[in-house]
Amino acid sequence: DTAVSQTPKYLVTQMGNDKSIKCEQNLGHDTMYWYKQDSKKFLKIMFSYNNKELIINETVPNRFSPKSPDKAHLNLHINSLELGDSAVYFCASSRSVAGVGTDTQYFGPGTRLTVL
Amino acid sequence: AQSVTQLGSHVSVSEGALVLLRCNYSSSVPPYLFWYVQYPNQGLQLLLKYTTGATLVKGINGFEAEFKKSETSFHLTKPSAHMSDAAEYFCAVRWAGSASKIIFGSGTRLSIRP
Repeated sequence: DTAVSQTPKYLVTQMGNDKSIKCEQNLGHDTMYWYKQDSKKFLKIMFSYNNKELIINETVPNRFSPKSPDKAHLNLHINSLELGDSAVYFCASSRSVAGVGTDTQYFGPGTRLTVL
Repeated sequence: AQSVTQLGSHVSVSEGALVLLRCNYSSSVPPYLFWYVQYPNQGLQLLLKYTTGATLVKGINGFEAEFKKSETSFHLTKPSAHMSDAAEYFCAVRWAGSASKIIFGSGTRLSIRP
């Protein structure tokens, strides 16, 4: 029944490793997002995909690569993890993007990434 | 640059007291406005949103917010705080023509004193 789900919930890894976070939504939405929330709770958008196409890329390092195999999934792969990547990553989805500014974004529960 | 400002990173009120969380945005162009709540170790949940029409918007859990164009504000209120209201609250703004990009404020942590 979960609308937006993320796995894993917690991820602890060493610097330099490569890791992936998966996101799935069962709401039938066309648009999905990745946000990063830092230790001060500041929330910033990283990427947005609409129907598997990238529409927002907020100057995120190339080490971060989103992949959308279909419109219900948006995975986040991170190469060569750094200490500064430690944060909570949230996936979200909304019905559509085109001219519908009122669409609510539905958030997943978050993935807490800790880089040692 | 467009920005969203939440005054007060931490607000503490007594149970039963009025809750007022402040939010101001940078542009005079009418945007779409949102308040989200984040309970500990959870994702964000929409409380309410302003799109068009009536400037006083009612949301879930007894919260409401008023859009004041002249003040570029969208403050969140609740007449009587409950212990379960303790959470982090985020104001968010989306400007027309900005695709799906929403800009979040820095958040306000609401604590409720017994």
